[in-house]
Amino acid sequence: QVQLQESGPGLVEPSKTLSLTCGVSGYSISSGDYWAWIRSPPGKGLEWIGSVYYSGSTSYNPSLRSRVSISVDTSRSQFYLQLNSVTAADTAVYYCARNSSAGFFDYWGQGTLVTVSS
Amino acid sequence: DIEMTQSPDSLAVSLGERATINCRSSQSVLHRYNNKNYLAWYQQKPGQSPKLLIYWASTRESGVPDRFSGSGSGTDFTLTISSLQAEDVAIYYCQQYFGTTPSTFGQGTKLEI
Repeated sequence: QVQLQESGPGLVEPSKTLSLTCGVSGYSISSGDYWAWIRSPPGKGLEWIGSVYYSGSTSYNPSLRSRVSISVDTSRSQFYLQLNSVTAADTAVYYCARNSSAGFFDYWGQGTLVTVSS
Repeated sequence: DIEMTQSPDSLAVSLGERATINCRSSQSVLHRYNNKNYLAWYQQKPGQSPKLLIYWASTRESGVPDRFSGSGSGTDFTLTISSLQAEDVAIYYCQQYFGTTPSTFGQGTKLEI
């Protein structure tokens, strides 16, 4: 059974960098899948941030492309999110998920709330 | 980007009754080369992460009860719960994953009893 777990600071200061880690267990991260970050601001819907292939190739939401970086470390079975120059609008629950080759998200982490505030 | 619009925003249905949620995309998500609709449905219960219910517009994910069904093609889709159970209270989202366009979600439909 594929399991994903987000970790990282729950509070980030404005203009700083948000950094999160997603650990994958029960499945090889190198099995040829994509791995995604998705967020949900309080009281709002879901927004795809971007995805990374096990080889390291990435795709990003154009609305965030200038500020986001997603990477993968197959040796640690982890992938990462960095979002630069954060503002209060980046406050959200951040989820990591397996992004099937077709494009839907079939396994999700429990989510982690990140608040941007001084 | 392909915009996804769900209706209604919220819905109250009695136990045992049918619930219907609609999703419309701003352009077709039917791929002509494989005749598949690139549309998925998710269920998010309070305090939980989203759970995949249906993909390819009508294929139920393993373990999803058969009271959940998806239909539609092109730009108009429907999620139907044939006989509402108490555990179905949740927010439901549609998602398009068509081609190289950014994946986008509907705004969500809150289903209550």
